[in-house]
Amino acid sequence: GDSVTQMEGPVTLSEEAFLTINCTYTATGYPSLFWYVQYPGEGLQLLLKATKADDKGSNKGFEATYRKETTSFHLEKGSVQVSDSAVYFCALVGQGGANNLFFGTGTRLTVIP
Amino acid sequence: DGGITQSPKYLFRKEGQNVTLSCEQNLNHDAMYWYRQDPGQGLRLIYYSQIVNDFQKGDIAEGYSVSREKKESFPLTVTSAQKNPTAFYLCASRDRGLEAFFGQGTRLTVV
Repeated sequence: GDSVTQMEGPVTLSEEAFLTINCTYTATGYPSLFWYVQYPGEGLQLLLKATKADDKGSNKGFEATYRKETTSFHLEKGSVQVSDSAVYFCALVGQGGANNLFFGTGTRLTVIP
Repeated sequence: DGGITQSPKYLFRKEGQNVTLSCEQNLNHDAMYWYRQDPGQGLRLIYYSQIVNDFQKGDIAEGYSVSREKKESFPLTVTSAQKNPTAFYLCASRDRGLEAFFGQGTRLTVV
């Protein structure tokens, strides 16, 4: 079945460092791919998305490119800030009915000044 | 503003007591979901509903029950059969295979 495999955390970076969080997926057909962010004590917020191969999603300095050849959707940011400290979830929407939404296990990012 | 609202934000349950978590959305979404999140863990699907008066068990439905009498509402009851209910509960909704929108969560604690 469909699934998402996400880089294990936690990740600790200094402010202004480069961030990569790896995400790979298994799915039949052509899924849509998402990154969500969860700040402490809150729900998940959509950060960015890509709905077809080679699409690049971007928001707030974060980017991710839908790579069908490597089944990947890695999250990147060139210069992280303390305010980026959160848990990041990779997700996919596959083909099928309502139960076609799959999340990775989440990666906790801590940015230190 | 359109959105999804969970209440209460914090909830305390005594041993052997049933409690109900509220989830309301005004996004006109057909599908709604309940997830459980334990500290440092990912999301686990409890129940989901594609349409009014219909719902399906997720991966960890034991000890929980839901109803979907209205499109806007999908309450979750944590019953006394759930032996370890302390967790963060998230409700989500989505439409036609697109991205999910989440509420702010309810933190349930057994006292």
